[in-house]
Amino acid sequence: GENVEQHPSTLSVQEGDSAVIKCTYSDSASNYFPWYKQELGKRPQLIIDIRSNVGEKKDQRIAVTLNKTAKHFSLHITETQPEDSAVYFCAASKVTGGGNKLTFGTGTQLKVEL
Amino acid sequence: GAVVSQHPSWVICKSGTSVKIECRSLDFQATTMFWYRQFPKQSLMLMATSNEGSKATYEQGVEKDKFLINHASLTLSTLTVTSAHPEDSSFYICSARMTVLAKNIQYFGAGTRLSVL
Repeated sequence: GENVEQHPSTLSVQEGDSAVIKCTYSDSASNYFPWYKQELGKRPQLIIDIRSNVGEKKDQRIAVTLNKTAKHFSLHITETQPEDSAVYFCAASKVTGGGNKLTFGTGTQLKVEL
Repeated sequence: GAVVSQHPSWVICKSGTSVKIECRSLDFQATTMFWYRQFPKQSLMLMATSNEGSKATYEQGVEKDKFLINHASLTLSTLTVTSAHPEDSSFYICSARMTVLAKNIQYFGAGTRLSVL
């Protein structure tokens, strides 16, 4: 089955700096990669996703890059703000087949300091 | 985004009793829902895939007789933890799948914190 690794497990940045979280996956058939943000005690919220037919996607301060050959993808947050502090999970899935199950990474605790 | 409601948000029960958790998609129909378990400061571990009108598919190591799943309608899936024990105490989260622009996006419920005494 799919295995997703995520690094770092914790990340502390100063407000205004950029934050990068990296994930690798094992199943070359995976073709859908969402990122979720989970604030303490709350539900995971989808913040951005990418399909394997593109290499990069951007939404305001958030961007995701995908390298299919190396089987890794990254989340980039620019101009970080205190409200970006949360746990971020990457995930991998097949759009079709495999039951569309999401395999999650282990999470990254991001802390944005003033 | 789509709304998924999960109830109850918190439940405390005695060891040996059963607890039912509901997951509802409020503004869309979901033929597929998922049940996860999350331990403190850890990732979401998929327990089972709930399919409307058919049996759930359980992940390896998850006891199907312990965690009963029923997906009787396109908007409701339930998870029943039978004969709960303290080791079942955890945070349980459901998600409902919606297909948008050929992507299968999962929207999550707010979770249920189960404490078994």
